[in-house]
Amino acid sequence: ILNVEQSPQSLHVQEGDSTNFTCSFPSSNFYALHWYRWETAKSPEALFVMTLNGDEKKKGRISATLNTKEGYSYLYIKGSQPEDSATYLCASPLYSNYQLIWGAGTKLIIKP
Amino acid sequence: NAGVTQTPKFQVLKTGQSMTLQCAQDMNHEYMSWYRQDPGMGLRLIHYSVGAGITDQGEVPNGYNVSRSTTEDFPLRLLSAAPSQTSVYFCASSYGPEQDTQYFGPGTRLTVL
Repeated sequence: ILNVEQSPQSLHVQEGDSTNFTCSFPSSNFYALHWYRWETAKSPEALFVMTLNGDEKKKGRISATLNTKEGYSYLYIKGSQPEDSATYLCASPLYSNYQLIWGAGTKLIIKP
Repeated sequence: NAGVTQTPKFQVLKTGQSMTLQCAQDMNHEYMSWYRQDPGMGLRLIHYSVGAGITDQGEVPNGYNVSRSTTEDFPLRLLSAAPSQTSVYFCASSYGPEQDTQYFGPGTRLTVL
């Protein structure tokens, strides 16, 4: 992997169900992995910044794990609510220590 | 705290016109950056600055200029607008670029006719 990739591109989830999605990144020269939440008509807001292999972070019903050896991070949402509908972005500084490279995002739609 | 502010929120330009998108932050952040966001694509870095007087190019710098005369302000100039520059532009700031949370402005939606 030479870029930051996210899957799936979009996801429809029933309210109350739990879900997860993936961010993949090059495992060599890893420095940090960011997760952001981006609601329609707003600007991205930070969820987590993760740096250590095996890191697990949690904010309310949202949590994330990091595997730097295999180059992936999972974002989990437990008991999805309509307000969780947003695009979830991940980013990592790949080519230099001054530039974050962003994935295209996973658009999450919660169906009531 | 105003955080990161951007003006204008919306702008329509004709091809060939120039304009400046303003960005300011009041958090004393050293690192500031400009991104453009296009449908189906991630945020792409246009230019960034690691401190006053220091700027550098990102992934898609062509057609844009920046300057950083103060810690607070980081304007983005479109030299001669083209339809390919129709996009949503976000300014962001942080203490550092790698491990620190990025704070985003509200965005500027630019249309070039």
